Amino acid sequence: QKEVEQNSGPLSVPEGAIASLNCTYSDRGSQSFFWYRQYSGKSPELIMFIYSNGDKEDGRFTAQLNKASQYVSLLIRDSQPSDSATYLCAVSQGGFKTIFGAGTRLFVKA
Amino acid sequence: KAGVTQTPRYLIKTRGQQVTLSCSPISGHRSVSWYQQTPGQGLQFLFEYFSETQRNKGNFPGRFSGRQFSNSRSEMNVSTLELGDSALYLCASSPTVSRGTGELFFGEGSRLTVL
Repeated sequence: QKEVEQNSGPLSVPEGAIASLNCTYSDRGSQSFFWYRQYSGKSPELIMFIYSNGDKEDGRFTAQLNKASQYVSLLIRDSQPSDSATYLCAVSQGGFKTIFGAGTRLFVKA
Repeated sequence: KAGVTQTPRYLIKTRGQQVTLSCSPISGHRSVSWYQQTPGQGLQFLFEYFSETQRNKGNFPGRFSGRQFSNSRSEMNVSTLELGDSALYLCASSPTVSRGTGELFFGEGSRLTVL
C-alpha cells in the first residue's frame, strides 16, 4: 500500500465547473496535509495546507480533511483553463519528512 | 525575497561519475529537503536537514548523500552514477520549526541526465 494515494487521472472538467481531487493516506499519525500544484516543466508550488479536521477555504480553493477516514480532498470552484496542472497531495508524518502522492492531472476545458 | 536557488539547472554525466548539486534556501529558512522526481516514481523523499543535521532520510542507497552548511545552504552528492539516477532533483526549504516539516518552497530543480 502506498503511503499517499491519488487517482492519476486525467480529470477533465469544463470551465466554470467544480474540480474535486481526492487523496488517501496510510499513516494515522500524519499531522499536516498539503496540496501542491505543478505545471508541466515547473516545480511544485504550495496552494493549500490543512492541519485540523474540517474545511479550509482560500479563494476558489477548499481543502477538506477527515482524519478518521484518512482522507484529504481539494475542491476548485469556477475552474479555469489556467488551473490545468498536476495536483500533488502531500502528507507530513511529523518526522521531518513529507511524502507526496503521484499526483492527479487536471484538464480544464475552455 | 529571493526564492530557493538550485545549481546547476542542467547537467549531463556518464555512468560511474559523481555529481554534486547545490541549494540555497529562502533567507531565514533553516530546513532543507531534497526530492528526486521521475515520471514513473513521482516525487521521492531523499533527506531533510536542519541546522546542519540530517533529521530524516528516504529509502535511497548510500550513493546518495547530503550535507548542510552553517548558512543553511545544502548540497547533495550522488556517487557512482547509474542510468536510473536520471531525474529532476528538487530542493525545498521550509520556515517551520515545529510540526516537523511544514510548507515546502521548491527551487526550479537540477535536471540530471546520466548517459
